[in-house]
Amino acid sequence: DTGVSQNPRHKITKRGQNVTFRCDPISEHNRLYWYRQTLGQGPEFLTYFQNEAQLEKSRLLSDRFSAERPKGSFSTLEIQRTEQGDSAMYLCASSPSGAAGGTFGSGTRLTVV
Amino acid sequence: GENVEQHPSTLSVQEGDSAVIKCTYSDSASNYFPWYKQELGKRPQLIIDIRSNVGEKKDQRIAVTLNKTAKHFSLHITETQPEDSAVYFCAASMGGYGGATNKLIFGTGTLLAVQP
Repeated sequence: DTGVSQNPRHKITKRGQNVTFRCDPISEHNRLYWYRQTLGQGPEFLTYFQNEAQLEKSRLLSDRFSAERPKGSFSTLEIQRTEQGDSAMYLCASSPSGAAGGTFGSGTRLTVV
Repeated sequence: GENVEQHPSTLSVQEGDSAVIKCTYSDSASNYFPWYKQELGKRPQLIIDIRSNVGEKKDQRIAVTLNKTAKHFSLHITETQPEDSAVYFCAASMGGYGGATNKLIFGTGTLLAVQP
């Protein structure tokens, strides 16, 4: 499968715990995006990487959220001290340089109890 | 920043009828407008897109139109089939040029139900 891969598919965690999600983009894509989608809403942009550089972060991304893409390939999104409001689907997308839009992964569904 | 509004939120049609979903955007600098289809529990999948230098694009039963002056764009599905039932999202982006992020700003989605 050469699509965008996200792990885990589902994560249930207790409030206050830290969680980390992983995204493996399509191999030749140097642009990587994280989005968050809550029930009944469209995906909301969180952050964007071009290669290993994080070039934009949304105001939605509080200081409890951090994202990395250390070698310009896979990316991780960490949420510290999770809150119930963090419950959502976290989607990753990738695209080639200069291309708009992106190919989405299947997402990680986070439930904070 | 960019804001995208989408209507209607739900749409029910009979199989074989046409369906139209409309979106408006606020930032005149946006130049790329994709449409995604999302089935329950699955990832958004790109079904068609249009750039601002084109007024209309068609792919089999699906077409998208863009009115730059009015800042609105629409998705048209003809001869609808039950498998077209899903949530459809429009989006806008300042895509593909220079240092633009190319991030997508999504509408709130339209739940399309095609009745057999």
